[in-house]
Amino acid sequence: DAGITQSPRHKVTETGTPVTLRCHQTENHRYMYWYRQDPGHGLRLIHYSYGVKDTDKGEVSDGYSVSRSKTEDFLLTLESATSSQTSVYFCAIKSRVGVYNEQFFGPGTRLTVL
Amino acid sequence: AQTVTQSQPEMSVQEAETVTLSCTYDTSESDYYLFWYKQPPSRQMILVIRQEAYKQQNATENRFSVNFQKAAKSFSLKISDSQLGDAAMYFCAYSGAGSYQLTFGKGTKLSVIP
Repeated sequence: DAGITQSPRHKVTETGTPVTLRCHQTENHRYMYWYRQDPGHGLRLIHYSYGVKDTDKGEVSDGYSVSRSKTEDFLLTLESATSSQTSVYFCAIKSRVGVYNEQFFGPGTRLTVL
Repeated sequence: AQTVTQSQPEMSVQEAETVTLSCTYDTSESDYYLFWYKQPPSRQMILVIRQEAYKQQNATENRFSVNFQKAAKSFSLKISDSQLGDAAMYFCAYSGAGSYQLTFGKGTKLSVIP
């Protein structure tokens, strides 16, 4: 257990509304990641962070923004949700202990945009 | 850019039998890490096994082992003595040694037949 929680776990929203997903970790990990999972696509990286206020884009960053004002929290925001953003969203951390670059994942958030 | 290919969208295995899941990857890097993650119906992503490219010995974790063929860029997962709890999606993932990012395959859904 890497001490990662995500909130909310489920959310249904309407097209055009803003949505913020929260990832919280308790073990002072430097690297945090947001992925989305869709059938037939595996997991794709949206954004990641390598420290407080240090973030970078991933493969599918359009329509998403992130913020990290504290080490423990990494927020993913959909400024104006669209139906194509219906997905399962995972937060992950890179372990400080391992040397393999392995990542450990939160429980996921299922987001439905109507 | 690195790519990871899992050519078997679905597989099935009889309980207590052995099954092998395939994964190939494309990279120009010489040092990297490879992983297999398991995602049961609970949706939690679980790290099963990991391999460093410089280690010739294949990794083993209990009933799970890999066949790492660096020249062929192949990284297959063998599950021995399959159990009902092994039924899940399995994802192969790649990380360059200096990257801190993971690239995932699209996954293989494994069913275990009692």
